[in-house]
Amino acid sequence: QVQLVESGGGVVQPGGSLRLSCAASGFTFSSYGMHWVRQAPGKGLEWVAFIRYDGSNKYYADSVKGRFTISRDNSKNTLYLQMNSLRAEDTAVYYCAKDVGLYSSRSNWFDPWGQGTLVTVSS
Amino acid sequence: EIVMTQSPATLSVSPGERATLSCRASQSVSSNLAWYQQKPGQAPRLLIYGASTRATGIPARFSGSGSGTEFTLTISSLQSEDFAVYYCQQYNNWPLFGGGTKVEIK
Repeated sequence: QVQLVESGGGVVQPGGSLRLSCAASGFTFSSYGMHWVRQAPGKGLEWVAFIRYDGSNKYYADSVKGRFTISRDNSKNTLYLQMNSLRAEDTAVYYCAKDVGLYSSRSNWFDPWGQGTLVTVSS
Repeated sequence: EIVMTQSPATLSVSPGERATLSCRASQSVSSNLAWYQQKPGQAPRLLIYGASTRATGIPARFSGSGSGTEFTLTISSLQSEDFAVYYCQQYNNWPLFGGGTKVEIK
């Protein structure tokens, strides 16, 4: 079955960096776009970034543009999120999610989602 | 910029009753709308896509309707496992979620 497992979360000081990973299995990873979505404690869902199936195009929410970088290694079936210049408001559970579109260049709906990894930005 | 508004924020319903959740887009998103269910401590789960198509394994008591700017998720007879937070998401443009509706036990 399709499985997404995030890792790399933790506590980091404001201004610091962190890299999240999402290990994918149970599907042809290189054929699907992937997303990062976050959820601040007690709050709703916020889309963060999308990367095309082949990594050729990347898109970001305005709130993270210029600070976060999404990437993927199709040979390792792994998605990444490099987070720099972290702020308190970046504190959230970060989910990776599979886009349903096969070889799609645009975003569709998400299915499934990983279990999430918590990032806390605090001094 | 599109804004997605869900109402009500909280819905109190007795088991076995019908629940009707609303999602409104500030501009047309056609039928490019999905619904997700999220239980405490869990990741969201896809319920509905294309505004009205149930995802694989989703019970028939869940139904979606609407197009353009007005959408509805209906749970025909609430079961204990349905008490959760529900989010709508438009994908006509880059993804955007509504603020969520919490369905709680009355």
